Amino acid sequence: SAVISQKPSRDICQRGTSLTIQCQVDSQVTMMFWYRQQPGQSLTLIATANQGSEATYESGFVIDKFPISRPNLTFSTLTVSNMSPEDSSIYLCSVDPGVAQETQYFGPGTRLLVL
Amino acid sequence: AQSVTQLDSQVPVLEEAPVELRCNYSSSVSVYLFWYVQYPNQGLQLLLKYLSGSTLVKGINGFEAEFNKSQTSFHLRKPSVHISDTAEYSCAVTPWGNTPLVFGKGTRLSVIA
Repeated sequence: SAVISQKPSRDICQRGTSLTIQCQVDSQVTMMFWYRQQPGQSLTLIATANQGSEATYESGFVIDKFPISRPNLTFSTLTVSNMSPEDSSIYLCSVDPGVAQETQYFGPGTRLLVL
Repeated sequence: AQSVTQLDSQVPVLEEAPVELRCNYSSSVSVYLFWYVQYPNQGLQLLLKYLSGSTLVKGINGFEAEFNKSQTSFHLRKPSVHISDTAEYSCAVTPWGNTPLVFGKGTRLSVIA
């Protein structure tokens, strides 16, 4: 298993500003993912962040808006840039331990409100 | 690509009554199937998963789910719910291999005393 922590747990931000969310894992993992859950919507994958390579973004998400860093095998950050109220959401970090038939683990999430 | 449909956004049920939360998926390839639960003010946790073998899988807290390939369904059931089962339940799929999960919109189960 993997234990994941995220900072901050919640924040209220002004439009036009940026927020960086941190994700820390208690073990080394190759594959990390960032998800977003907007109100009433499903968890949607933003990007896959593998250490040593650039993040891979899903359709509808771009690096300029959601830059991601992955400096080592236990840590990643997601920045939400130039925020608007539409970015109000829960952002979750997730990891795949890489063990056959084991599932993804999720962090507790960062609840973001943009005014 | 895969997709997941959870037809019920909210399910109210009386305590000790049975419950079924529906999940249907679409995929051109074989998939692994999961149910996750999120209790109030807590993170997502795995409830159960189907990888292969018996189509009836049992999870934590007395929940079980049955994989039906012909109907592309993976419905979640519990014969008798408790107040503590009040939570958000999300169905997810992934193709075989290490790829990220695709989620449904979730079903909010509210157990009423």
